[in-house]
Amino acid sequence: EAQVTQNPRYLITVTGKKLTVTCSQNMNHEYMSWYRQDPGLGLRQIYYSMNVEVTDKGDVPEGYKVSRKEKRNFPLILESPSPNQTSLYFCASRTQGFGYTFGSGTRLTVV
Amino acid sequence: DQQVKQNSPSLSVQEGRISILNCDYTNSMFDYFLWYKKYPAEGPTFLISISSIKDKNEDGRFTVFLNKSAKHLSLHIVPSQPGDSAVYFCAASALQETSGSRLTFGEGTQLTVNP
Repeated sequence: EAQVTQNPRYLITVTGKKLTVTCSQNMNHEYMSWYRQDPGLGLRQIYYSMNVEVTDKGDVPEGYKVSRKEKRNFPLILESPSPNQTSLYFCASRTQGFGYTFGSGTRLTVV
Repeated sequence: DQQVKQNSPSLSVQEGRISILNCDYTNSMFDYFLWYKKYPAEGPTFLISISSIKDKNEDGRFTVFLNKSAKHLSLHIVPSQPGDSAVYFCAASALQETSGSRLTFGEGTQLTVNP
């Protein structure tokens, strides 16, 4: 089944403790992206990647890092999480000519 | 600066009637528009899209209209069904600039279809 898989689905962590949210897609898509969803703000793009080793900032990149060493994986790294990064995160992938396919989401709480 | 705006946080309609969801944008570089549907505890799923060279695109019960001069698009669902109850997001992209990688979303509209 074609899909975008994120892990974990739920995560509670403490301020300052580094964490990584993994994202993997099995559709051989060139493009991948991370979004966060917050009430009243919709989905905001954090980072995107147009191919292996090619990444760029979205609208809200502060406090996040990404890497794209392999085509299928696009992990999101929070080096020093803060409470304002408490949010619902979505990974997505797409190929040329089509819209993004989204994962099921990761609900992150930073206390 | 919200480049894509959905001014109605919620909409309630009766089953069988038409649902009209609206979206406005400010960036004149946007040339590709999409609608996504989102159920609770799931990721958004693609519904329908429209290129700026068209003013209408239809797929079954779903039709998207684009008014470029007004920078406005709308999604019509006819007839509405209870299973359509979800949050609907409008999204826009400047294909010429970013090949569709940069996708800007609106705030979303919660549609409730009452039986």
